[in-house]
Amino acid sequence: GDSVTQMEGPVTLSEEAFLTINCTYTATGYPSLFWYVQYPGEGLQLLLKATKADDKGSNKGFEATYRKETTSFHLEKGSVQVSDSAVYFCALMNYGGSQGNLIFGKGTKLSVKP
Amino acid sequence: EAQVTQNPRYLITVTGKKLTVTCSQNMNHEYMSWYRQDPGLGLRQIYYSMNVEVTDKGDVPEGYKVSRKEKRNFPLILESPSPNQTSLYFCASSSVDSDYGYTFGSGTRLTVV
Repeated sequence: GDSVTQMEGPVTLSEEAFLTINCTYTATGYPSLFWYVQYPGEGLQLLLKATKADDKGSNKGFEATYRKETTSFHLEKGSVQVSDSAVYFCALMNYGGSQGNLIFGKGTKLSVKP
Repeated sequence: EAQVTQNPRYLITVTGKKLTVTCSQNMNHEYMSWYRQDPGLGLRQIYYSMNVEVTDKGDVPEGYKVSRKEKRNFPLILESPSPNQTSLYFCASSSVDSDYGYTFGSGTRLTVV
């Protein structure tokens, strides 16, 4: 079945460091890909998305490019801030399969130190 | 404000005592879904609904029931809760016309003792 694998955390960075969180997926068809962010004590918020190959999603300085050839959707940010400390989830939704099922990776906790 | 509202936010209950977690959305979304979040396991789908009166099992449906009698509401029912259902639960909704994934509620932290 469809699945998402993302790098294990936690990830600890200093402020202004470069961030990469790796995400790869397995899916039939052409899924849409997402990054969600969960701040402490809150629900998940959509951070960015891409719906087809080579699309780049971006928001709040974060970017991710849908790479079908490598089945990847890595999250990057050029300069992280303390306020970016959160858990980040990569996810896919495959409309060709079980409709409505957003499949998540296990999450990567990011801590940014001043 | 467009949102998904879950209640309660926190709940402590005893084994076997039936409970319902409510979920309501004001965006006229067709899709609604329940997830549970557990440490080391990420989020796993319990049930989802593609529209009124249309529901289907997700990855971990055992011990749960749902109903979708109205488009805006999608309650999660635990008929006989057990300690292994202690978890953080999220309701979410999405439009069938959008590829943006789900809008999530703020979560319900359930403890079964």
